[in-house]
Amino acid sequence: QVQLQESGPGLVKPSQTLSLTCTVSGGSISSGDYYWNWIRQHPGKGLEWIGYINFSGFIYYNPSLRSRVTISLDTSKNHFSLNLTSVTAADTAVYYCARGSATVVSFLFDYWGQGTLVPVSS
Amino acid sequence: DIQMTQFPSSLSASVGDRITITCRASQSSGNYLNWYQQKPGKAPKLLIFDASTLYSGVPSRFTGSGSGTDFTLTISSLQPEDFATYYCQQSYRTPYTFGQGTKLEIK
Repeated sequence: QVQLQESGPGLVKPSQTLSLTCTVSGGSISSGDYYWNWIRQHPGKGLEWIGYINFSGFIYYNPSLRSRVTISLDTSKNHFSLNLTSVTAADTAVYYCARGSATVVSFLFDYWGQGTLVPVSS
Repeated sequence: DIQMTQFPSSLSASVGDRITITCRASQSSGNYLNWYQQKPGKAPKLLIFDASTLYSGVPSRFTGSGSGTDFTLTISSLQPEDFATYYCQQSYRTPYTFGQGTKLEIK
């Protein structure tokens, strides 16, 4: 059974960089079949897809965040990471990591981490 | 971006009821549509993909239909564990986008 677990600081100050790691167990992030995603949810709001990375080299960032986002893979630790620079209070959210799979037709998120709330506050 | 609009935004129903949630895309999305269920404090769970295919382990009382711009999620006989928030998600075009959610509450 694949499991994902987010980790990172519990609080980030405005203008600093938010850094999170997602550790994957029960499967390898080196599989080219899957895409490793970050998704966030503002308090009481809907879901916003941040972007993904794939072992084969595919990377996509949501244009709304592209100038501030970097997603990377560390195959030696079987984890992937999110860096979001120049954060403001508007970046306060629960951040989820999720595995993405492509079917014949669509792209879905089949395994999710439990999520981690990252407040941005001085 | 493709905007996804769900309605209703909230819905009150009773155990045993049949309910339908609608998701409308701002442009045609084929059947590149997935549904998720989220309970408070938990991550979303995949219910249906490719508009109508039930994900492994999901009860058969959940059905999805539609294509193009209009999609529906139907729960045939509500169970206590079904009270949650439901989201649709399109994967026709990046950036992938979600609906704003439909909160299903117990009447």
